Parts: sequence; structure tokens; C-alpha cells
Amino acid sequence: EVQLQESGPGLVKPSQSLSLTCSVTGYSITSNYWGWIRKFPGNKMEWMGYISYSGSTSYNPSLKSRISITRDTSKNQFFLQLNSVTTEDTATYYCARYEGTFDYWGQGVMVTVSS
Amino acid sequence: DTVLTQSPALAVSPGERVTISCRASESVSTRMHWYQQKPGQQPKLLIYGASNLESGVPARFSGSGSGTDFTLTIDPVEANDTATYFCQQSWNDPLTFGSGTKLEIK
Repeated sequence: EVQLQESGPGLVKPSQSLSLTCSVTGYSITSNYWGWIRKFPGNKMEWMGYISYSGSTSYNPSLKSRISITRDTSKNQFFLQLNSVTTEDTATYYCARYEGTFDYWGQGVMVTVSS
Repeated sequence: DTVLTQSPALAVSPGERVTISCRASESVSTRMHWYQQKPGQQPKLLIYGASNLESGVPARFSGSGSGTDFTLTIDPVEANDTATYFCQQSWNDPLTFGSGTKLEIK
């Protein structure tokens, strides 16, 4: 069974970088696409970007200057880095497998941006 | 960006039929998908490609629509269907989600 698990700090200071890891079991990240989605307080959901089976990336233009998604195929993990965060980046962050739809999701990790 | 508009909330009684709508600001063909999210849980895929039932999802759930207007139907509704339902399109870049419809079971 495909399982995803996010990990990373729950508190980040403004202007710093947010870094999260998604660990995947039951499926190789060298197949399909693997994405990050966040849900803000109040329910709005935003697709942030994804990394493909080959390592190519696609990002939401609203984040393009601040976001980087990378991977470590030896550990079957992929990563999110979001730079220069503000309080507006406070959200629950999910990783998910993307195959035209997001069919497998992690549990999510809540990240608060605050000094 | 393609804006997906959903009504914010609905309340129905068990056994009733409920339809949840999602309107897109531009055509998304049939690349509309529906997710259920219960409090404290991750979203769960229910319907993909507007009308295809994801494996393991009860046949009480169905989807329809194309272009700009889409509907998720639950018939009959059960008490454990209490959740927020999101639509999401994958036809236009960037991928976008609706704002969610909170379904309350009376």
C-alpha cells in the first residue's frame, strides 16, 4: 500500500525557510508525480508544486520565486523548501501522489510562521 | 487561474439525497475531481474525471458534469458523510481547488 508521511518543524520564524520531508513507502518515487499541497486556516487549499518521476519540477506561479522541490531516490523521499516565509504561509502542508488526481495523501503537518 | 466556486455549507438528514456543486470560471473539460476531508484527516479522493468512482468508494457517491458545471451527489446520505467536500481541476495550469462545501448531517 502506498503511504506518505510528512515531517519537519512545526514552527518557523518569519523571513526564514520552511523545509519539509515526505517519506514514501510502498511505491517508488521514480514513478508518477509527487506533489505538495497546503491548506490554510479557513479551508482554502493551494497546490504548491510537484516533482516528476524523472526529477523535473512544476510550480505554482504564485510561489515560483520562493519554492523548491527536490528528491532523494535512494531514500524514497522528496522535499519542500519555501523561502522567505511570512505569517501568510501558516498552513497545514500535505504531500501527495499525483497521477492526474491526488490519489494518496500524507496525514499533513501543521506549520506556523511566527516570531 | 481557474477559480472553482462551491457553496459554503449544506445540512441534510440521513437517508436524503444531496448534491454539491462546483462551478469553474473557465472550461476544465472533464478534468474535475472530488475529495472528502473529515476533521483531522487528510483529503480522500472520491471521484476522478468528473464521473469516475475511485476504487473502494461507496456507490452512494457519484459525479457528473463537464465544461464549467459539476456536481457531486450522495444518495443516500449517511451520518458519517459529515465532512468538507472539495473539487479540484487538472485541465488548466495551475491546478486549483474549490473553497470546499461543509456538509452537516442533521
